[in-house]
Amino acid sequence: GAGVSQSPSNKVTEKGKDVELRCDPISGHTALYWYRQSLGQGLEFLIYFQGNSAPDKSGLPSDRFSAERTGGSVSTLTIQRTQQEDSAVYLCASSIEALRRATDTQYFGPGTRLTVL
Amino acid sequence: GQNIDQPTEMTATEGAIVQINCTYQTSGFNGLFWYQQHAGEAPTFLSYNVLDGLEEKGRFSSFLSRSKGYSYLLLKELQMKDSASYLCAVDTGRRALTFGSGTRLQVQP
Repeated sequence: GAGVSQSPSNKVTEKGKDVELRCDPISGHTALYWYRQSLGQGLEFLIYFQGNSAPDKSGLPSDRFSAERTGGSVSTLTIQRTQQEDSAVYLCASSIEALRRATDTQYFGPGTRLTVL
Repeated sequence: GQNIDQPTEMTATEGAIVQINCTYQTSGFNGLFWYQQHAGEAPTFLSYNVLDGLEEKGRFSSFLSRSKGYSYLLLKELQMKDSASYLCAVDTGRRALTFGSGTRLQVQP
């Protein structure tokens, strides 16, 4: 595709509900990242997928957060039993990362704005 | 831990030059990125530095000094559309980027 796409663009949910956020990376990009951006804060790394390797989950804030990447393409970030502090913009990015060399540029999607009431 | 510092806000005048500084203390370093983010939009890539020195790209330039843990983004001939947040980010070696909190630049007429 032309760029990274994410859906939904906005999600309002009630505390305690589960939510799923979707990311479609740029075609051919093997690496996919999830970040979140709280109001007035910098981007916070959540999870990183590279090809068929085990994902780097070191940024996930709690076990309520999980992510999958099916077929090396689309990814879904799931937040279970949402809390008000989960309210943020969730950004997905992808990069080529064909080889372990100089860092490849990450291209970001428009994000999903999650509001937990 | 990782620490990336940049000023929270800056104001500059249309047509002028502004320099946005970023200092970092990280456990590893594979390169430094600058991104631009307009309100409510995705960050967009501006520049990448891995070697010391200045990288120039049109009105935007980025400088890196690895020994000092210091970078700056230089914006020349400022335009109103340059009003945005500018994010400094470091690849510490784990591929995912570590971001500073961003500098919100307001360009005034």
